[in-house]
Amino acid sequence: DAGVTQSPTHLIKTRGQQVTLRCSPKSGHDTVSWYQQALGQGPQFIFQYYEEEERQRGNFPDRFSGHQFPNYSSELNVNALLLGDSALYLCASSSRIRIIQGRIAEQYFGPGTRLTVT
Amino acid sequence: DAKTTQPNSMESNEEEPVHLPCNHSTISGTDYIHWYRQLPSQGPEYVIHGLTSNVNNRMASLAIAEDRKSSTLILHRATLRDAAVYYCILRDNFGNEKLTFGTGTRLTIIP
Repeated sequence: DAGVTQSPTHLIKTRGQQVTLRCSPKSGHDTVSWYQQALGQGPQFIFQYYEEEERQRGNFPDRFSGHQFPNYSSELNVNALLLGDSALYLCASSSRIRIIQGRIAEQYFGPGTRLTVT
Repeated sequence: DAKTTQPNSMESNEEEPVHLPCNHSTISGTDYIHWYRQLPSQGPEYVIHGLTSNVNNRMASLAIAEDRKSSTLILHRATLRDAAVYYCILRDNFGNEKLTFGTGTRLTIIP
């Protein structure tokens, strides 16, 4: 059973460019969350997708957008890249049905995509 | 979001128990206490969670103070593979699934 997968592993972009990161959730999961982790810091929540809609959003500008596909996979798009966007981008998946059932829904994280903006 | 406070770093000898503390004095009655850890070059992974009672699983034990203002993650016999950053996180279970990470405790295991 494959866990959460992310692509690419590493990416180097230039300031002002746009980037798309991809995530496939763990089998059986329907909810995808994205986090940004700067060096030496804990991950910061960007947003969460469920049923192809953004359900929650953290304190990130509109330059950060996303999408979820019918197969539950997801993309994170960042426009007009800034040097400060250099970070590890983590995708996490979970099962919404567990929340509906009143159970704890652990989040399963992928290995991340390391984005460097020069 | 309720805040947690953890020591920046801790060291422990291999094969000895490790007690990782977390203070959460502003915890609300509906907040669960979650622990995640992040091994080097990996994404975080779930360790354990609890509400009021102490909890055990195959990875660790979670001891929760009676007033719930603090908790301790216990690794019973640390191995080199337990070297990681450990995050203590408060999270309600009413559909708010986001995890609010602090800076965590960096655990070093000494062989």
